[in-house]
Amino acid sequence: KAGVTQTPRYLIKTRGQQVTLSCSPISGHRSVSWYQQTPGQGLQFLFEYFSETQRNKGNFPGRFSGRQFSNSRSEMNVSTLELGDSALYLCASSSGGQGYGYTFGSGTRLTVV
Amino acid sequence: AQSVAQPEDQVNVAEGNPLTVKCTYSVSGNPYLFWYVQYPNRGLQFLLKYITGDNLVKGSYGFEAEFNKSQTSFHLKKPSALVSDSALYFCAVRDPPNDMRFGAGTRLTVKP
Repeated sequence: KAGVTQTPRYLIKTRGQQVTLSCSPISGHRSVSWYQQTPGQGLQFLFEYFSETQRNKGNFPGRFSGRQFSNSRSEMNVSTLELGDSALYLCASSSGGQGYGYTFGSGTRLTVV
Repeated sequence: AQSVAQPEDQVNVAEGNPLTVKCTYSVSGNPYLFWYVQYPNRGLQFLLKYITGDNLVKGSYGFEAEFNKSQTSFHLKKPSALVSDSALYFCAVRDPPNDMRFGAGTRLTVKP
């Protein structure tokens, strides 16, 4: 069974640009969550999607957006990048029941210069 | 509001000794509690969870965790540490329908 796939693995962008990150969950999983991981802030929750609907949203500015497609694949977009957006972005999938643990992807390492 | 705290940034133990990584939580309802481990340059891996039932939960790689409702704690334990257990450990809490929130992480170092 394939795991959670995040693409790309590494990304270097310039301040002011925008970026789109992709996440393909485990087959059959209907829930996808996104987290930002930085050394100083730890794991910060961004979004949770279930069956194409945003179920929860974290405290990030409107520059951060996401969506989920009918095949459960998810994308997140960050516009007008800032240096502080440099982080490891992690995607996690689950079957959708809130008592289930997450399966995480390896993440996308975004560096903003 | 839900929150989780890991009071120790770093835990050092000798190989073969028991280990404990501490976690306390705060939720308004009945919590779902989780432990994850992260190795360098990787995503998090699920270790174990507590939803309901027995307070002692057994998970992967010989780890277990004890749920204590009165102390609002969910400490991770292992009877005999291995050098390969060295990693970053995260406690997480979920108070449905809210999202899963993670602690700041505890770096475990097991020395030979």
